[in-house]
Amino acid sequence: DGGITQSPKYLFRKEGQNVTLSCEQNLNHDAMYWYRQDPGQGLRLIYYSQIVNDFQKGDIAEGYSVSREKKESFPLTVTSAQKNPTAFYLCASKQDRASNQPQHFGDGTRLSIL
Amino acid sequence: GQNIDQPTEMTATEGAIVQINCTYQTSGFNGLFWYQQHAGEAPTFLSYNVLDGLEEKGRFSSFLSRSKGYSYLLLKELQMKDSASYLCAVRTGGYQKVTFGTGTKLQVIP
Repeated sequence: DGGITQSPKYLFRKEGQNVTLSCEQNLNHDAMYWYRQDPGQGLRLIYYSQIVNDFQKGDIAEGYSVSREKKESFPLTVTSAQKNPTAFYLCASKQDRASNQPQHFGDGTRLSIL
Repeated sequence: GQNIDQPTEMTATEGAIVQINCTYQTSGFNGLFWYQQHAGEAPTFLSYNVLDGLEEKGRFSSFLSRSKGYSYLLLKELQMKDSASYLCAVRTGGYQKVTFGTGTKLQVIP
């Protein structure tokens, strides 16, 4: 079945450590996104990418980095510069050419600080 | 910048009708989505509006007024399983940027 896979489901980070969250999709979607969700909050956009080798900062990009070397992959690195990384991270993808197509979401990664 | 507002919480009774509002102030509006999110799970798509008016899909309907920067999601014949958060999201500009509101947590009571 086609879909979006995020891994790991749970991740723990030590202070001062960088960690990378994986997001892979086999839907042949052009656009991919990373969102952060804090308890009781909506989704906040971190980064998004419309095509391979191109990405744009969202509303809260500081302390995060991404790459888009392949169409199906959009990993997110949470760097040590992100002082409050504990959150639920959601990856999504969307078919670029059809604007009325919704985003498809992965099951998320919960990141916690040790 | 962009600003998308929703009520934080709502409570409604099983079998009733509830309306969840969303107001937005954005540049380059290019469509509005509604998603449902159960606790600890990924959001799932409910509806999409890009033109003014009402879109009906079973028990769920969504309305859009672009001139007022306003949308609502209408849920009819509420069921206990409808207890969830409802997220309004706006697509803007030429890039596929999609920004979410803060979400409305709906509790359905017997």
